Amino acid sequence: AQSVAQPEDQVNVAEGNPLTVKCTYSVSGNPYLFWYVQYPNRGLQFLLKYITGDNLVKGSYGFEAEFNKSQTSFHLKKPSALVSDSALYFCAVALGGYIPTFGRGTSLIVHP
Amino acid sequence: DTAVSQTPKYLVTQMGNDKSIKCEQNLGHDTMYWYKQDSKKFLKIMFSYNNKELIINETVPNRFSPKSPDKAHLNLHINSLELGDSAVYFCASSHPRTGDTGELFFGEGSRLTVL
Repeated sequence: AQSVAQPEDQVNVAEGNPLTVKCTYSVSGNPYLFWYVQYPNRGLQFLLKYITGDNLVKGSYGFEAEFNKSQTSFHLKKPSALVSDSALYFCAVALGGYIPTFGRGTSLIVHP
Repeated sequence: DTAVSQTPKYLVTQMGNDKSIKCEQNLGHDTMYWYKQDSKKFLKIMFSYNNKELIINETVPNRFSPKSPDKAHLNLHINSLELGDSAVYFCASSHPRTGDTGELFFGEGSRLTVL
């Protein structure tokens, strides 16, 4: 079984400030973890993924995510937010070879 | 070049009708998917298909059926449309190695409105 939770429906941050979008997961094995971004009226775009190795994963557009096995978390981070980062962010988890399960999404709003 | 393309982008129809949404990918991927995104943006897997296996989410009504004429296409056919079928439907593809889960490449979505 695999599941993922995004505890925040919405995250608000001022431009230039660091941002964090939270994700926790539950799988009965070693997880594959993903972050995707969805801009209005668009499909989801892949940002980054963790399979194994370094717990800090770097992805597109300056985003990174930190895998924490003890807390079963995979939070998305960015040191300095841009207004253009405003979008819907999805965390996803899968066991190897299985179809990813997506979280409910977190709306990120970056204020000028 | 559009990697995963869906048509139509918008579809408005009456209850009880039958409709299809087409999806094509030019990435050479082996596996294609259909996801449904509801009004609260929740994304739910409907089908996964490669040239060997169809995986159906058991919660999907049998009014929904995937049809794959070849590896690059996975169309979604819906019979007897209901109001609750109104949603955005996303096609996606991936190229996982055995035992791997690769990243998904999504189409732009097809917004279905049932009146």
